[in-house]
Amino acid sequence: DAKTTQPNSMESNEEEPVHLPCNHSTISGTDYIHWYRQLPSQGPEYVIHGLTSNVNNRMASLAIAEDRKSSTLILHRATLRDAAVYYCILRGGNRDDKIIFGKGTRLHILP
Amino acid sequence: NAGVTQTPKFQVLKTGQSMTLQCAQDMNHNSMYWYRQDPGMGLRLIYYSASEGTTDKGEVPNGYNVSRLNKREFSLRLESAAPSQTSVYFCASSVVLRDPIGTEAFFGQGTRLTVV
Repeated sequence: DAKTTQPNSMESNEEEPVHLPCNHSTISGTDYIHWYRQLPSQGPEYVIHGLTSNVNNRMASLAIAEDRKSSTLILHRATLRDAAVYYCILRGGNRDDKIIFGKGTRLHILP
Repeated sequence: NAGVTQTPKFQVLKTGQSMTLQCAQDMNHNSMYWYRQDPGMGLRLIYYSASEGTTDKGEVPNGYNVSRLNKREFSLRLESAAPSQTSVYFCASSVVLRDPIGTEAFFGQGTRLTVV
């Protein structure tokens, strides 16, 4: 399975944008980049995913490097509720593929 | 629409006891998963099921068995519990997304299991 590398932790101030990086230098052409987050004492939840183009949804934006070896999850205006562990996951296009989580980035939001 | 429901929410077992963790989803998803999460760690995949009647090992299957009873239900069994299996267990189901193709997984609230 292609691996991802994320910083262990990051801090950001409330109401400021947050850029969460993910390196995936061994990504294959058929791997899709997914982001999930896990709020305290809860199960993970889906945030966003993409293949090559940048993606936006109501929760966040995903910026994918042109060579696809890295990506960045962007929270446009962090709130205290965004404090969570964020996981960057690669998954093949096969719907039967398992979902493997790494260690993720723990995001701290400072009021 | 309850999503993914896990029972029980909490459980204490003695070493050597057996138990089954139950999971049910009402979203008509084909794929289901069992994960464990140790304190301060990420999730590790125990078993997954791509469809009714099929199961496959994940990263840490030893000491566990699973049953995909039907499309809705996916149970995890500990035959002889050990203290090393103390963890939070999450069940999930997933749906295929389109444009681009991806996967959205939905997780239950977890079962906190302590083996003494």
